[in-house]
Amino acid sequence: KNQVEQSPQSLIILEGKNCTLQCNYTVSPFSNLRWYKQDTGRGPVSLTIMTFSENTKSNGRYTATLDADTKQSSLHITASQLSDSASYICVVRPRGSTLGRLYFGRGTQLTVWP
Amino acid sequence: SAVISQKPSRDICQRGTSLTIQCQVDSQVTMMFWYRQQPGQSLTLIATANQGSEATYESGFVIDKFPISRPNLTFSTLTVSNMSPEDSSIYLCSARDSTDTQYFGPGTRLTVL
Repeated sequence: KNQVEQSPQSLIILEGKNCTLQCNYTVSPFSNLRWYKQDTGRGPVSLTIMTFSENTKSNGRYTATLDADTKQSSLHITASQLSDSASYICVVRPRGSTLGRLYFGRGTQLTVWP
Repeated sequence: SAVISQKPSRDICQRGTSLTIQCQVDSQVTMMFWYRQQPGQSLTLIATANQGSEATYESGFVIDKFPISRPNLTFSTLTVSNMSPEDSSIYLCSARDSTDTQYFGPGTRLTVL
């Protein structure tokens, strides 16, 4: 069964600190993996996308890594800011899906305190 | 990139009534989708909106309950019919462009009393 599991479910950190969010997936074969940020009351916004052959992708203070062998990805946030408070969702797209079905994790709810 | 707008942003409805949610994309996209997101849960795909033809529904979702239209490349509607409190959720419109990037609208927060 294709699944995407994220951990932790929620996380509280102090402003300026770093944190790492985890994503484990069983989707196979897979086409790409994205991390989205979803602010409260907003739709998800793409942060990074990685294909099977990529190991790391950065977008400002966000760095995503991918280990396709162990089917794990992580999102590292450096020097956190109050505006980083949001839900971070890992999304995996399987290869070969004609409708482009996506598999979503439940998200990690990050809270940054001043 | 594509910007997606949805109307209404939120609504409170009575049991047994219907609500139509509109989705507008500011550029041409190849595919449009409707998702549901319940509190603390991941996004669940309701259906793929097909231009000029019937939507393709996922298991557990039927056209009578969630009729969808997509009259052109950039506009779609989702109707939640004969609502019950279990339909209370956030409904998200999504679109994919020719670069295979998928965008999401801000969502419509629906509460059914």
